[in-house]
Amino acid sequence: EAQVTQNPRYLITVTGKKLTVTCSQNMNHEYMSWYRQDPGLGLRQIYYSMNVEVTDKGDVPEGYKVSRKEKRNFPLILESPSPNQTSLYFCASSLSGGWVTTDTQYFGPGTRLTVL
Amino acid sequence: SQQGEEDPQALSIQEGENATMNCSYKTSINNLQWYRQNSGRGLVHLILIRSNEREKHSGRLRVTLDTSKKSSSLLITASRAADTASYFCATVPLDFYTGANSKLTFGKGITLSVRP
Repeated sequence: EAQVTQNPRYLITVTGKKLTVTCSQNMNHEYMSWYRQDPGLGLRQIYYSMNVEVTDKGDVPEGYKVSRKEKRNFPLILESPSPNQTSLYFCASSLSGGWVTTDTQYFGPGTRLTVL
Repeated sequence: SQQGEEDPQALSIQEGENATMNCSYKTSINNLQWYRQNSGRGLVHLILIRSNEREKHSGRLRVTLDTSKKSSSLLITASRAADTASYFCATVPLDFYTGANSKLTFGKGITLSVRP
């Protein structure tokens, strides 16, 4: 089944404790992206990747890191989480992400992160 | 920055009625997409309309696009309780052809409640 998976689905942590949220897709998509969703603010893009080893900042990259060593994986790293990073996070992927403007994005199920 | 702005923010209707949701945007677009999100879950793509299209249908969904007014509407006909969800419009900017960013910019969403 074609899908985007994220782990963990729920995470409660404390300020300053490094964490990684994994994202994996099995559709051979080139483009992957991370969003955070907060009440009243909608979805905001954190980072995106056009292909392996190519990443770039979205609208709200501060406090986050990403890497794209393999096509299928795009982990989101919070080196020193803070309470303002408490949010619902979504990973998404699309086929070509740059050359086909009609690509739709496929979303993972979300990771609910709470930073105390 | 938010590109799409949906209206109304919340909509409550009776099962069987039609639901109309609107989206306005600020800059020129290549295409506009509508997504649905069931509570706390990932977004699911519904329909895409290109900037040179004026209307598109998919099952009970009808999307219109007015580029002169920079607005789009999503009509769900004969609504069902299962249509209860949040609906987001997302835009792909016209300068996307540079390939610099496959950036979908989302609005804040409309919460639709369909009463049985």
